[in-house]
Amino acid sequence: GNSVTQMEGPVTLSEEAFLTINCTYTATGYPSLFWYVQYPGEGLQLLLKATKADDKGSNKGFEATYRKETTSFHLEKGSVQVSDSAVYFCALRGPQAGTALIFGKGTTLSVSS
Amino acid sequence: NAGVTQTPKFQVLKTGQSMTLQCAQDMNHEYMSWYRQDPGMGLRLIHYSVGAGITDQGEVPNGYNVSRSTTEDFPLRLLSAAPSQTSVYFCASGESGSTYEQYFGPGTRLTVT
Repeated sequence: GNSVTQMEGPVTLSEEAFLTINCTYTATGYPSLFWYVQYPGEGLQLLLKATKADDKGSNKGFEATYRKETTSFHLEKGSVQVSDSAVYFCALRGPQAGTALIFGKGTTLSVSS
Repeated sequence: NAGVTQTPKFQVLKTGQSMTLQCAQDMNHEYMSWYRQDPGMGLRLIHYSVGAGITDQGEVPNGYNVSRSTTEDFPLRLLSAAPSQTSVYFCASGESGSTYEQYFGPGTRLTVT
C-alpha cells in the first residue's frame, strides 16, 4: 500500500539556517505529494504541493521537488525564522479519485533566535 | 465561509461512555475524512467518505462509526470509549480528485479516563 517516511525530529536550528526535511514515499502509479504544517495548538494547513514528476511546489520560502526517480519530496528553506517553528507533515494521495491522504509521522522544527 | 468546523473542542469521557464528534463543512466538498493524531504516530486515517451515503474504513477504524447523510456533515461516533481512544481528532474535507488538498478543522481533544 501507499506509505510515507519522513525524517524523525526534532530538528533544532538557529534563525537564518538552511532547512531540509527528508521525505520518501511508496506508492503505485503517480501520486500527488503534499507538505502540511501544524503550528502549536492548531489544525493542519497546506504548505505546498506537487502533482506530477519534476514539479516544484513552493510557498512562504519553502520548496519541494517531486522526484520520481528517487521517490522523494524533500522540504527545503534557505533561511528559517523563529515563526517557522512547527510540525511538518509529508503526505501523499494516490492517483485514483477518492483515495485518502496518507501522512508521514511528522517532523518537529524548533528555530531559536 | 466557515470552512471545516468541529465540535466540541475538548471532551473528557469515562470508559464505556459514548459520544459523537461533530464535523461540518460549507464548501460543498464530496470527500470528508477523520484522522486521529497521537504523539510519534502522525495522523492516522479512521474513516472517510466520498459522498453522501458512501463511507469506508481507513487504517484504524475499530471502535468508531461514521455515517454521511448529507454533503455537509460527517459525524464520528465512539460507541464505548476506551482509554486507547484518548487522542486529538481532526476532520478534513476536499475534492475527491487526487490532486486536491484536504482542508482541516481545528481538532477535538478527547480524553478517556
